[in-house]
Amino acid sequence: QVQLIQSGSELKNPGASVKVSCKASGYSFTAHSINWVRQAPGQGLEWMGWINVNTGTPTYAQGFIGRFVFSLDTSVTTAYLQISGLKAEDTAVYYCARDRNDIEFDYWGQGTLVTVSS
Amino acid sequence: QSMLTQPPSVSAAPGQKVTISCSGSSSNIGSSYVSWYQQLPGTAPKLLIYDNYKRPSGIPDRFSGSKSGTSATLGITGLQTEDEADYYCATLDSTLRTGVFGGGTKLTVL
Repeated sequence: QVQLIQSGSELKNPGASVKVSCKASGYSFTAHSINWVRQAPGQGLEWMGWINVNTGTPTYAQGFIGRFVFSLDTSVTTAYLQISGLKAEDTAVYYCARDRNDIEFDYWGQGTLVTVSS
Repeated sequence: QSMLTQPPSVSAAPGQKVTISCSGSSSNIGSSYVSWYQQLPGTAPKLLIYDNYKRPSGIPDRFSGSKSGTSATLGITGLQTEDEADYYCATLDSTLRTGVFGGGTKLTVL
């Protein structure tokens, strides 16, 4: 069965970096792009962007350009989200999601809570 | 402020029907498929509807989707207490080539 398993919760100091992983299994990894979605505490879903799993090319939504980096390791069918220069407002649950077709997410990771606090 | 507008909340009694609207523009809903997601408290979102009206395997036919012009609607019939959740619409903005979610609607089953 298709699964996206994300890494565990993180507690980071302001200014630090964090790398969230999303391990895919149960399907051909290169057949679907991986998207990232942010959900701040008590807020709605926010599309962060996606990575083309065939080419490794990332696309970032406005607001996620600069400190956010999407990457892949196709040898272990894993996508990554790295955030640098963490700020308190980056505190959120971050989800990876498989895209079946242009912003239609049929499988989701369980989410990774990133807390930024001193 | 999302490009897709949903009512913040809706409510109805068990067994009743409810609809949730999602209003956009010609560059997003008007030119792309709409999908809908259910998010139960503390869990990841779940795909309910894709391609405007199609249901993934395992989603009961109590859930339906439709689209007309620049608006989409999610319908839920035979409401059950376990339907209490947040519901989100999503689509592609074809001009910006970005994904966009609605602000979400909290469904309360009274």
